[in-house]
Amino acid sequence: QSALTQPRSVSGSPGQSVTITCAGTSSDIGAYNFVSWYQQLPGKAPKVVIYAVNERPSGVPDRFSGSKSGNTASLTISGLQAEDEATYHCCSYAGSYTHYVFGGGTEVTVL
Amino acid sequence: QVLMVESGGGVVQSGGSLRLSCAAAGLGFNTYGFHWLRQAPGKGLEWVTYIHYDGSFNVYADSVKGRFTISRDTSKNMLYLQMNSLKPEDTAVYYCAGENCANKFCRKTFVYWGQGVQVTVSS
Repeated sequence: QSALTQPRSVSGSPGQSVTITCAGTSSDIGAYNFVSWYQQLPGKAPKVVIYAVNERPSGVPDRFSGSKSGNTASLTISGLQAEDEATYHCCSYAGSYTHYVFGGGTEVTVL
Repeated sequence: QVLMVESGGGVVQSGGSLRLSCAAAGLGFNTYGFHWLRQAPGKGLEWVTYIHYDGSFNVYADSVKGRFTISRDTSKNMLYLQMNSLKPEDTAVYYCAGENCANKFCRKTFVYWGQGVQVTVSS
C-alpha cells in the first residue's frame, strides 16, 4: 500500500481537463513544498512533469499544472491530448527519516 | 543530452547478491545527487536510496537498510548499488535517477532517469 493516495484511473476526451489528486499527511505533502509528478508511458522510465508543487521543467507543455492545498496535491492536465495517455505518479519529500513517498499511480485514459 | 544507463540486473536466488551500475553522461556529475528507485511488477514507484552530490552521506529506505549499499565513482561518472541478502520482495525494475544540487541546493526532484534494469529474486 502506497503512502500517498491517488485514484487508480481518470479519463477525459481530447480537449477536456482532468485533475489527479494525491492525498498525503502533515508529515509529507503538508510539511514540504517538494511535491513532484512523473509521467510514465508503458514500458518506459518516468519523466518529471511538475516539481516543487507547481514548477514545470523546460520542454513540458504548459497544459500541465500543479497545486497543493493542505495535505493534498493535484495535477491538472488542460486541453487533454492523446499523447498524455500514461500513468502519473505523485511524490513528496517526507523528511530526513522517511525521505520520499510515492502514490500508487493514476492511469490517464484519453477517450 | 543527458544519458543514464543502468546495467547489472538479472535473476538471482534468494539470499544472493547483485551489483547494479549506472553510467551518467551529459551532466555535471559533481553537482548531482543520485538515487536508486524501484518498481515492482504492476506496482507504484518506491524510493530506495540516495547518495549526496559530494558523497558526504547516503540514506536508505528501511526495507533495504543493512542489505544495500550505494556508492559513486566521480572519476568514472558511475553510480553503483550493491545488493546483498536479496529477497523475493526485492524483485523489481530498478532505476537510477539524478537530482540537481547546483549551488549546493538540492531540488528534491528526480530530474533524469535511466531506462531501468530488471532484478528478479527467485525463492
